Amino acid sequence: QKEVEQDPGPLSVPEGAIVSLNCTYSNSAFQYFMWYRQYSRKGPELLMYTYSSGNKEDGRFTAQVDKSSKYISLFIRDSQPSDSATYLCAMSPTNTNAGKSTFGDGTTLTVKP
Amino acid sequence: DAGITQSPRHKVTETGTPVTLRCHQTENHRYMYWYRQDPGHGLRLIHYSYGVKDTDKGEVSDGYSVSRSKTEDFLLTLESATSSQTSVYFCAIRGQGGPEAFFGQGTRLTVV
Repeated sequence: QKEVEQDPGPLSVPEGAIVSLNCTYSNSAFQYFMWYRQYSRKGPELLMYTYSSGNKEDGRFTAQVDKSSKYISLFIRDSQPSDSATYLCAMSPTNTNAGKSTFGDGTTLTVKP
Repeated sequence: DAGITQSPRHKVTETGTPVTLRCHQTENHRYMYWYRQDPGHGLRLIHYSYGVKDTDKGEVSDGYSVSRSKTEDFLLTLESATSSQTSVYFCAIRGQGGPEAFFGQGTRLTVV
């Protein structure tokens, strides 16, 4: 059983749709929750991160963490073709160890014009 | 790309040969990491460094060694390459601030 499980996808949606990407985890020590976006043949880049439970919004992106359910989500509003990428969730128990985060396998999203 | 350069970007090598991948950063960050990315396994940590000459193992370190003689360079060596080490390798760095890691462009390694 992996520590972090991510909805495998792939996911294909029409432009303008609301997208929900999800991960579950088993390690209750995780405190930092990150979402990375990875375009084809590129390195991952951080989209946003949250500390502990709650929501965080950044433009069209909203990250939610429910520690009681060990469940995190990334919502993308008004999805655009440029959002087509693989999205990776990542988790760490501390800030200083965040470079050693545990990653999900990724969900590949395609937004069709 | 946060000042990270990986070299080479692509390499094909034969089973049993040693291979060294290089990660160079211009950010003067203390922490550096080597990951491999494979379908169905996501990103897995191979080795990491928290300073010059200070390194430690990650979850998939068997068959790999690292060295860091300067802040800016972190080398990953496959001592005797095997086909199971065919993968995309990413270097990452992290500063003293938030938890985010900045990744390089990756090295696509094929062992035949």
